[in-house]
Amino acid sequence: DAGITQSPRYKITETGRQVTLMCHQTWSHSYMFWYRQDLGHGLRLIYYSAAADITDKGEVPDGYVVSRSKTENFPLTLESATRSQTSVYFCASRLTGANEKLFFGSGTQLSVL
Amino acid sequence: KQEVTQIPAALSVPEGENLVLNCSFTDSAIYNLQWFRQDPGKGLTSLLLIQSSQREQTSGRLNASLDKSSGRSTLYIAASQPGDSATYLCAVRPQKYGGSQGNLIFGKGTKLSVKP
Repeated sequence: DAGITQSPRYKITETGRQVTLMCHQTWSHSYMFWYRQDLGHGLRLIYYSAAADITDKGEVPDGYVVSRSKTENFPLTLESATRSQTSVYFCASRLTGANEKLFFGSGTQLSVL
Repeated sequence: KQEVTQIPAALSVPEGENLVLNCSFTDSAIYNLQWFRQDPGKGLTSLLLIQSSQREQTSGRLNASLDKSSGRSTLYIAASQPGDSATYLCAVRPQKYGGSQGNLIFGKGTKLSVKP
């Protein structure tokens, strides 16, 4: 199906483990984003990518790594998970342009025990 | 630094009522403002996008207005229905703070409950 898909939908892991969250979009959107959503903080940008092989930090990048070897994929890796990284993670994408709408995936609920 | 505020944090209304959700932002230098809907356990769905040169946008029972000079936007929902129950978030795309190209600054949302 067309759209933006995230996997897994739910993930439980332990502190210190490496975790990768996947994001795939079928629209060939140039821009892709990773947000985390936490009570009291709202949505915060972790990393974004303007095109394949171009990534940059957002507001809260520490402890996360991203890559974008293909336009359609934008995985987010937690190198050594911590309890503070327990959150709901959303991937989003949009076309290039100042006034393009942002489209979100359904999210990954991550619990770090 | 751009900040986006939504008041109230929660709102409960009876079915059929017209209602207004409020959003304010601190810096008027924006490209656009977007309103999103988020259902429990789901991602965000874009409802309306108002460009900085526009005053309002309409989609069905939804009407969003933008007063850039005062840093305010409202989302008007006509004849509310139980199916409108969700959290509504507004977000601005600032022209400054361009390090995060295309980054939206989100408010924390208004949780709307429409009772039958």
